Amino acid sequence: SQKIEQNSEALNIQEGKTATLTCNYTNYSPAYLQWYRQDPGRGPVFLLLIRENEKEKRKERLKVTFDTTLKQSLFHITASQPADSATYLCAPNTGGFKTIFGAGTRLFVKA
Amino acid sequence: DAGVIQSPRHEVTEMGQEVTLRCKPISGHDYLFWYRQTMMRGLELLIYFNNNVPIDDSGMPEDRFSAKMPNASFSTLKIQPSEPRDSAVYFCASSYQGELGYYGYTFGSGTRLTVV
Repeated sequence: SQKIEQNSEALNIQEGKTATLTCNYTNYSPAYLQWYRQDPGRGPVFLLLIRENEKEKRKERLKVTFDTTLKQSLFHITASQPADSATYLCAPNTGGFKTIFGAGTRLFVKA
Repeated sequence: DAGVIQSPRHEVTEMGQEVTLRCKPISGHDYLFWYRQTMMRGLELLIYFNNNVPIDDSGMPEDRFSAKMPNASFSTLKIQPSEPRDSAVYFCASSYQGELGYYGYTFGSGTRLTVV
């Protein structure tokens, strides 16, 4: 069955460092993959979408890579700030517009 | 645009009662999704619509759940009868498919449902 794995443990980093979050998927080949941020008590907020023919995508301090051979996406936040502390969700599509979400990785950035 | 609007924000109901959750997508978005989020199962896709037509309802847990989209600006998710295990946060999201393909989803603030 289709499976998505994200770092199950929380990631703690120091302000100013680069945070790297991992998303691995198995048993299917998504045409695109999305990353979302979710704060407690709120809905997920869309950050980036990367398509299967794109290796890398950037938006301000965010960078996403998509390796269809490894079946993996990496999400980087450079020069991290305490305000970046949140849960980050990986969401590969499973066919057409249907998308399933990983369990998320909690990121804590310490000042 | 005000974003995706869901109502109510919180709902507490007794087991066996009917619950109706409401969603207004972003104008111009032709895809609408209903998700449910719990600590144990994370975000689960229940059903999604394209141009008001249900495309995939394989995530709807039981016949007690039903969803409708009578027009492009309104959708409902109904649970009848409700059970304690239905307690969760229910999110509605909308999106569109443009010239470059797919785009990200915009989520509403969610409805926190508690069935006692």
